[in-house]
Amino acid sequence: NAGVTQTPKFRVLKTGQSMTLLCAQDMNHEYMYWYRQDPGMGLRLIHYSVGEGTTAKGEVPDGYNVSRLKKQNFLLGLESAAPSQTSVYFCASSSLSTSGGAETQYFGPGTRLLVL
Amino acid sequence: QQQVKQSPQSLIVQKGGISIINCAYENTAFDYFPWYQQFPGKGPALLIAIRPDVSEKKEGRFTISFNKSAKQFSLHIMDSQPGDSATYFCAASFNSGTYKYIFGTGTRLKVLA
Repeated sequence: NAGVTQTPKFRVLKTGQSMTLLCAQDMNHEYMYWYRQDPGMGLRLIHYSVGEGTTAKGEVPDGYNVSRLKKQNFLLGLESAAPSQTSVYFCASSSLSTSGGAETQYFGPGTRLLVL
Repeated sequence: QQQVKQSPQSLIVQKGGISIINCAYENTAFDYFPWYQQFPGKGPALLIAIRPDVSEKKEGRFTISFNKSAKQFSLHIMDSQPGDSATYFCAASFNSGTYKYIFGTGTRLKVLA
């Protein structure tokens, strides 16, 4: 099992350019999440999905869009990149515990994005 | 009310010493409290987690202590090793709905050889 994979690993964009980050998981997890990590800020949730075809906003959704057309994939899009979106982006996935509560989130290796 | 406050921001410990990281929360609807370990250039990975029906959980050198009344939980690393040098994040999650995590801001631990 590859777990959670992310592509690309690193990208440089110019202000105003667009791009899509791809997250894939092979654990058949229902839940998927996109976070950004900035120094001193911890991990902040951008968008998340509780199942195929469903998405919802997290803590910092502005400037990002997402899609979950297939259960195993979760895409994060930047329509018009800004320097404030320079960050490390992590995707995570999780299942639901048998007791109905939260379960472990498994993280991908991250994508480093630099917006000039 | 959804914040998780983590301290200290950074920590330096001698090899063999005890590392202690603390987290506090406000929302009593949280009921799952994981700790994640992150090495430079890597994604966070689950280290240990606890649910509020127990006051302590131990796995090897790592222990979570949980104080429900004080709404605090902490990570203790016994016999700290240089290989434990990493950033540690606490988190809290709701037991319903979206199961989103709220993360603390992280503690950078350095264990001196």
